[in-house]
Amino acid sequence: KNEVEQSPQNLTAQEGEFITINCSYSVGISALHWLQQHPGGGIVSLFMLSSGKKKHGRLIATINIQEKHSSLHITASHPRDSAVYICAMEVQGAQKLVFGQGTRLTINP
Amino acid sequence: DAGVIQSPRHEVTEMGQEVTLRCKPISGHNSLFWYRQTMMRGLELLIYFNNNVPIDDSGMPEDRFSAKMPNASFSTLKIQPSEPRDSAVYFCASSSYESWYQPQHFGDGTRLSIL
Repeated sequence: KNEVEQSPQNLTAQEGEFITINCSYSVGISALHWLQQHPGGGIVSLFMLSSGKKKHGRLIATINIQEKHSSLHITASHPRDSAVYICAMEVQGAQKLVFGQGTRLTINP
Repeated sequence: DAGVIQSPRHEVTEMGQEVTLRCKPISGHNSLFWYRQTMMRGLELLIYFNNNVPIDDSGMPEDRFSAKMPNASFSTLKIQPSEPRDSAVYFCASSSYESWYQPQHFGDGTRLSIL
């Protein structure tokens, strides 16, 4: 069983819709990372959070440490948001990242 | 400011050959990570270094894989001998380890195909 579980695995939506991707993890963490991987393959770090909520433009990330759960939200989604979104936990006491399997998001115009 | 630079971008070679992947981290970063991405297993950490010292190599698949970081601006991941199951995209990432809460910056990856 993967220590980091993401849902859904695939998500298709229409432009403008509000998007939520969920991530659950099983052990204590130092931080939770959200990454974006575009069709070309490059990986970009979107958020790194250990508590509460962070916002960057139309993207919002939240984390509930007690429930070991994080969500990534995209408001007013756009076709350029189409990518794979990957959740990763930074294991407590170590810098190593353990990754979820990713959520493939497709936003249709 | 230059990001993490990996070379080559693509490598196609025959089984049994030695493969060397290279990475130049962002200047000033003191942590370096090697990852592998496959369809079956997703992203996995192979090894990471702090201040050029290997900290955790538990993700290195077997003795055919080795990684070095001779100085703060260069690291290599070597596979010898290579096998078809090593075909994957290999990413290098770097970060600053001055505090816990620093994001990792990824290179563009090396797409490796072993025939």
